[in-house]
Amino acid sequence: DAKTTQPNSMESNEEEPVHLPCNHSTISGTDYIHWYRQLPSQGPEYVIHGLTSNVNNRMASLAIAEDRKSSTLILHRATLRDAAVYYCIPYAGGTSYGKLTFGQGTILTVHP
Amino acid sequence: KAGVTQTPRYLIKTRGQQVTLSCSPISGHRSVSWYQQTPGQGLQFLFEYFSETQRNKGNFPGRFSGRQFSNSRSEMNVSTLELGDSALYLCASSLGTVHLSGYTFGSGTRLTVV
Repeated sequence: DAKTTQPNSMESNEEEPVHLPCNHSTISGTDYIHWYRQLPSQGPEYVIHGLTSNVNNRMASLAIAEDRKSSTLILHRATLRDAAVYYCIPYAGGTSYGKLTFGQGTILTVHP
Repeated sequence: KAGVTQTPRYLIKTRGQQVTLSCSPISGHRSVSWYQQTPGQGLQFLFEYFSETQRNKGNFPGRFSGRQFSNSRSEMNVSTLELGDSALYLCASSLGTVHLSGYTFGSGTRLTVV
């Protein structure tokens, strides 16, 4: 499994953009980059994923470095509900069959 | 549409007992994965089932087992419970081609072993 490095914690103010970085320098060429978040007392929630190109959905944007060794999850306007632990997960699919390898993630605190 | 449903939400068992946890995936999802979450170890993969077949297994002792039924519902069983099995057990479902949509997790079953 590819190793990931994320900041232990980050803080933001409500309605400001948040950039959550992730280093995955050992990622395989065929691994997708998945992001999940876990709110208190809930199961993880899928946020976004991508392979090489930047990706957008209603929740966030994902910027992937050209060499794919790092990526950044962008929350365009943070809300209090975005306070959670964010996990960056390289995922091979194929024979990985369901095995998401969660690291320690980044604890995001959003201030009103 | 209904999400992933896990039952029961909370459970208290005694050391040495066994326990069965249930997971109902999103309708149409054929892949079900199970995870254990503890403060010390974080989220760890237990196993994954697709069309009633176990396709992948994590590094857990044989006391942890699972199965999947023809309607994609899944159960996991832990026999001879130990204090260290106290954890939040989560299941996740997907269509089977995860790169299309990711996994949807349930809220988990909180197991306490006393």
